[in-house]
Amino acid sequence: DTGVSQDPRHKITKRGQNVTFRCDPISEHNRLYWYRQTLGQGPEFLTYFQNEAQLEKSRLLSDRFSAERPKGSFSTLEIQRTEQGDSAMYLCASSLTSGTFNEQFFGPGTRLTVL
Amino acid sequence: AQTVTQSQPEMSVQEAETVTLSCTYDTSESNYYLFWYKQPPSRQMILVIRQEAYKQQNATENRFSVNFQKAAKSFSLKISDSQLGDTAMYFCAFMKPQGAQKLVFGQGTRLTINP
Repeated sequence: DTGVSQDPRHKITKRGQNVTFRCDPISEHNRLYWYRQTLGQGPEFLTYFQNEAQLEKSRLLSDRFSAERPKGSFSTLEIQRTEQGDSAMYLCASSLTSGTFNEQFFGPGTRLTVL
Repeated sequence: AQTVTQSQPEMSVQEAETVTLSCTYDTSESNYYLFWYKQPPSRQMILVIRQEAYKQQNATENRFSVNFQKAAKSFSLKISDSQLGDTAMYFCAFMKPQGAQKLVFGQGTRLTINP
């Protein structure tokens, strides 16, 4: 299966700890997106990369959040000093810009629980 | 800013029945895309159907069809001959074709198909 993969699938941490998630997009997809989905809600956009450049960040992305995509391949999302409000599913998606419409393919998500 | 609203948190129908999920949206854009995504339990989100705003003809994909009413800003999904595998969360989403092409999701509708 060459779809979008995310690691870990589940993460339980204590408040105040740092966590890092990884997303591996579909090979050769130049865009990579991060979304956050809280219980009972639809996903919300956090940030996206085109190749290695982070081009847009949502105001939802506080200073405690940082994302990187070195070399335009996999991406990491780090949350420092986690808070209980950070508990959510973190979804990654990738797309290839080849026309007007570029379908985003989603990974299975990383479910974060902050105790 | 765009908003997407799904007013049906949960729906339940019998297998083989037809079901319609509702979605309304708000935007000042004239050109955009609308989508229905399916998120099965513990599985990744997949694209069910898309509609381009400049196309008057409603999109159809096998058992899935939409009723796109641009003036009313309404975008409903009809599932015909429902199957047990259709059980999932369904999200309506909006996207501007320019720039980030980030998805704006509704709150979701939990659809259960009963045998």
